[in-house]
Amino acid sequence: EDQVTQSPEALRLQEGESSSLNCSYTVSGLRGLFWYRQDPGKGPEFLFTLYSAGEEKEKERLKATLTKKESFLHITAPKPEDSATYLCAVLGGADGLTFGKGTHLIIQP
Amino acid sequence: DAGVIQSPRHEVTEMGQEVTLRCKPISGHNSLFWYRQTMMRGLELLIYFNNNVPIDDSGMPEDRFSAKMPNASFSTLKIQPSEPRDSAVYFCASSLVGAKNIQYFGAGTRLSVL
Repeated sequence: EDQVTQSPEALRLQEGESSSLNCSYTVSGLRGLFWYRQDPGKGPEFLFTLYSAGEEKEKERLKATLTKKESFLHITAPKPEDSATYLCAVLGGADGLTFGKGTHLIIQP
Repeated sequence: DAGVIQSPRHEVTEMGQEVTLRCKPISGHNSLFWYRQTMMRGLELLIYFNNNVPIDDSGMPEDRFSAKMPNASFSTLKIQPSEPRDSAVYFCASSLVGAKNIQYFGAGTRLSVL
């Protein structure tokens, strides 16, 4: 059974204070690892997909990396508008995603 | 494209009533997924369709839940009879299988069963 564990559950940072979110996974036959952002009252919004260990993707202040056991979402010099819940998910043998419970990120001005 | 469209956005019903949630996927996508999100369990896959055919419904919690996809542009998730423990946010997502498998989500339906 595919499993995804995200840490920390919640993180509060000052504006400009860089940090990383962790996503550990076990999956039989990884076909992709996905990061989504979810704002209150909205559906998950796609950010990145990574397919093989060593791969990295960047978008504005966010950078996602992937190893054989985990992925990191690095947030550099965050702004208050980066506040959201960040979800990690894996695509294994089946076509449905297995999600972690997310990291609730708050960036204080 | 308007993205994945779900209706209604909010549904409040009484225990025992039938509830029908609706989803219109992104045009051209050939896979459709139904997920449920709760505080306790997070996002969980209920069922998914490829080319309108149900492939895996192992996530459907009970026989009270059923889903259909009569054509490529419409799907329903029905709960009959509804129970308070069904209260959650239900999301529909669609993707183009084989093209990076990126799933795009709708805004969700918040269901409250009293």
